[in-house]
Amino acid sequence: GENVEQHPSTLSVQEGDSAVIKCTYSDSASNYFPWYKQELGKRPQLIIDIRSNVGEKKDQRIAVTLNKTAKHFSLHITETQPEDSAVYFCAARLPFAGNQFYFGTGTSLTVIP
Amino acid sequence: GAVVSQHPSRVICKSGTSVKIECRSLDFQATTMFWYRQFPKQSLMLMATSNEGSKATYEQGVEKDKFLINHASLTLSTLTVTSAHPEDSSFYICSCYGTGGSGELFFGEGSRLTVL
Repeated sequence: GENVEQHPSTLSVQEGDSAVIKCTYSDSASNYFPWYKQELGKRPQLIIDIRSNVGEKKDQRIAVTLNKTAKHFSLHITETQPEDSAVYFCAARLPFAGNQFYFGTGTSLTVIP
Repeated sequence: GAVVSQHPSRVICKSGTSVKIECRSLDFQATTMFWYRQFPKQSLMLMATSNEGSKATYEQGVEKDKFLINHASLTLSTLTVTSAHPEDSSFYICSCYGTGGSGELFFGEGSRLTVL
């Protein structure tokens, strides 16, 4: 399967500052890279995604960049707010058989008011 | 979007018993469902891919005789933890693709299993 690494594991920022989370993947065949936000005890929710034919995507305060050559992608959150505090997971999808998703190790983001 | 429902949300059982967790796609048909396991403050680990009408595909290191998966219909997949032990205590969560071909993965609410 795919191996997805994610850094940092924890991140604290002041409200209004930016937060950046980085992921790398191992299999160059992966073609879809979503980011999920998970609040404590709840299911993960998709916040943004990017496909392998795109280098950057933005949705209001959230943006994702992808470098296929280096096999890494990043999540950028600007103007952070306390409600952004959660665990964020990156994932990579392999387009074989069942199109499995493999998740990064997660980043616990705390936005300090 | 898509609605995925998982039941039960919490279950406590004695060591040695078996526990069944259900995952349903409520407003669409899912030929493929994924089962993940999540330990506290850790990532989602893919356990297996559940395929309707055929055997599940298990990830390396996951015991298929321990974690029985059945996907008998297009809207229901079940995970049975057999002869559960305390080390099986975890958060189990299912997921599947929604309709529309967006590729987005939708998750169930998750089931927290505690084995005493």
